Amino acid sequence: GDQVEQSPSALSLHEGTGSALRCNFTTTMRAVQWFRKNSRGSLINLFYLASGTKENGRLKSAFDSKERYSTLHIRDAQLEDSGTYFCAAASSGSWQLIFGSGTQLTVMP
Amino acid sequence: EAGVTQSPRYAVLQEGQAVSFWCDPISGHDTLYWYQQPRDQGPQLLVYFRDEAVIDNSQLPSDRFSAVRPKGTNSTLKIQSAKQGDTATYLCASSRDREGTQYFGPGTRLLVL
Repeated sequence: GDQVEQSPSALSLHEGTGSALRCNFTTTMRAVQWFRKNSRGSLINLFYLASGTKENGRLKSAFDSKERYSTLHIRDAQLEDSGTYFCAAASSGSWQLIFGSGTQLTVMP
Repeated sequence: EAGVTQSPRYAVLQEGQAVSFWCDPISGHDTLYWYQQPRDQGPQLLVYFRDEAVIDNSQLPSDRFSAVRPKGTNSTLKIQSAKQGDTATYLCASSRDREGTQYFGPGTRLLVL
């Protein structure tokens, strides 16, 4: 079965607001990556975490291997943030990235 | 640093035709991955290499799919006799080592009619 459960599947935000995406894992993961799919369909790396938190501009991500989840926080959302966001994680002892089903984010004026 | 490059960007086939996808990973990355991403789903691993060696191809439909990386750099994924169910985007990724960040190419969008 699925090992990475991503939520929500769709999210609408007004410009300037923020929210969080979440991935729950059914098994212990050693690392997580967050991606954004750009307008050309390419997966753009946002974060790679083996533990703790990372921040880049208006994005912040956290990963708790013990509690089996990761989050991606977006603050002060802009129109250009719209797109599909994926989390992907690698379980302990594996090199395979297992992807969540994605979150379709729409930022509205 | 140049990113992962893939070609072609698009392919349209009739069922039964063959197609090859090509990937050039980031220079110095010893691990290369091929993923299949059906429409509206997350990518799913098909096969990955460490240098020229296949590490795991358990999810590669071996009767019609094959993948090689003969010199441990570029890689080719081939579908011998395409089926409509193969319609998807095929993504190549590379990483500096097996536990590192994976960087994805733009993908090849395949449509099998």
